[in-house]
Amino acid sequence: GAVVSQHPSWVICKSGTSVKIECRSLDFQATTMFWYRQFPKQSLMLMATSNEGSKATYEQGVEKDKFLINHASLTLSTLTVTSAHPEDSSFYICSARVEGIREKLFFGSGTQLSVL
Amino acid sequence: AQSVTQLDSHVSVSEGTPVLLRCNYSSSYSPSLFWYVQHPNKGLQLLLKYTSAATLVKGINGFEAEFKKSETSFHLTKPSAHMSDAAEYFCVVMPNTDKLIFGTGTRLQVFP
Repeated sequence: GAVVSQHPSWVICKSGTSVKIECRSLDFQATTMFWYRQFPKQSLMLMATSNEGSKATYEQGVEKDKFLINHASLTLSTLTVTSAHPEDSSFYICSARVEGIREKLFFGSGTQLSVL
Repeated sequence: AQSVTQLDSHVSVSEGTPVLLRCNYSSSYSPSLFWYVQHPNKGLQLLLKYTSAATLVKGINGFEAEFKKSETSFHLTKPSAHMSDAAEYFCVVMPNTDKLIFGTGTRLQVFP
């Protein structure tokens, strides 16, 4: 079956540093990828929609300068948390949509970010 | 506006007994509906999905869900719980857009 690889699975960083999270579709092309954030014991909140070759579409309240998204190829999207602060600590999950099939979504295994 | 409501934040069952996780949705269109499972610190795994075909949908690991338009419900059931079913379950609606709308989740505990 289709696989989405998300890396790293967990990361600890100092406040003020930047962290990059990668999301790769391993065996299919994904023109659209999604980035979610999940707080402990809460649901997933969509942060942004990443479109290959164009700018990401951010949800209301998400700082685009804080959460930089790059979707440079059909199989890779990256989320960079810039100048991370402790309140950015969270579980981040990506998903990738199989091109042309709206309901066919696959999720990465998530990245636990802890900012000290 | 589209939304999804998971009526129980926490469900506890004994191993071998039936599981019922409730979900109601609100959508102006005929939506696609999903159930996902999440084990601790892991990503989401698709259990099953409804996309306007058969109203009774069978998924993996013995789970199934029935789409009831008149009740705007999409409850998840399993005849006999297993210890490995303990996890967080999310009901998700996809309206006519690409975006997924997640419910708040139901934590399933299974006791021996």
